[in-house]
Amino acid sequence: KQEVTQIPAALSVPEGENLVLNCSFTDSAIYNLQWFRQDPGKGLTSLLLIQSSQREQTSGRLNASLDKSSGRSTLYIAASQPGDSATYLCAVGDSGTYKYIFGTGTRLKVLA
Amino acid sequence: GAGVSQSPRYKVAKRGQDVALRCDPISGHVSLFWYQQALGQGPEFLTYFQNEAQLDKSGLPSDRFFAERPEGSVSTLKIQRTQQEDSAVYLCAGGTNADQPQHFGDGTRLSIL
Repeated sequence: KQEVTQIPAALSVPEGENLVLNCSFTDSAIYNLQWFRQDPGKGLTSLLLIQSSQREQTSGRLNASLDKSSGRSTLYIAASQPGDSATYLCAVGDSGTYKYIFGTGTRLKVLA
Repeated sequence: GAGVSQSPRYKVAKRGQDVALRCDPISGHVSLFWYQQALGQGPEFLTYFQNEAQLDKSGLPSDRFFAERPEGSVSTLKIQRTQQEDSAVYLCAGGTNADQPQHFGDGTRLSIL
């Protein structure tokens, strides 16, 4: 059974810092991995999608990497801003069923 | 609309009542997923539709939960004889196909008293 773990559970950093959020999964048979942002009381906003054949994706200040063999993904946020404060969720797409298995998220607070 | 729309945004019901939650996906989105998100947790899969066909309902927690998508567009998640443990945010997501990015609605926050 696929299990997804995110470390750390919470993170507080001063504005301007570069930071790394970690996601690990137990079964490498995935078809993609997606990073989401969730603001309080809101749904999920897709940040980056990495297909299983890809190693990384970039969008603006965000870079996500995928190492399927080791069951790891990282989300790198450059030059963090207070507006980046949110919960970041990692989800792996299960091969064959297409459902997403989510981690419990990292709650990020960027201090001005 | 441009995004996935869910209604109502908030629903309060007494234990034992039946509730119905609605999802209006983006036009043309073939795949539709329902997830349940408990407080402080990540979403958990409930069920998946490809057009009107319910291909996976393995995540539905009990036979009190029922989902339908009769015309392959709007979907309804129904919970019968609600219990307190059903309190959660129910999220709907859709995509152009099962292996494409999923676009999420803002969810329905269900509170059972």
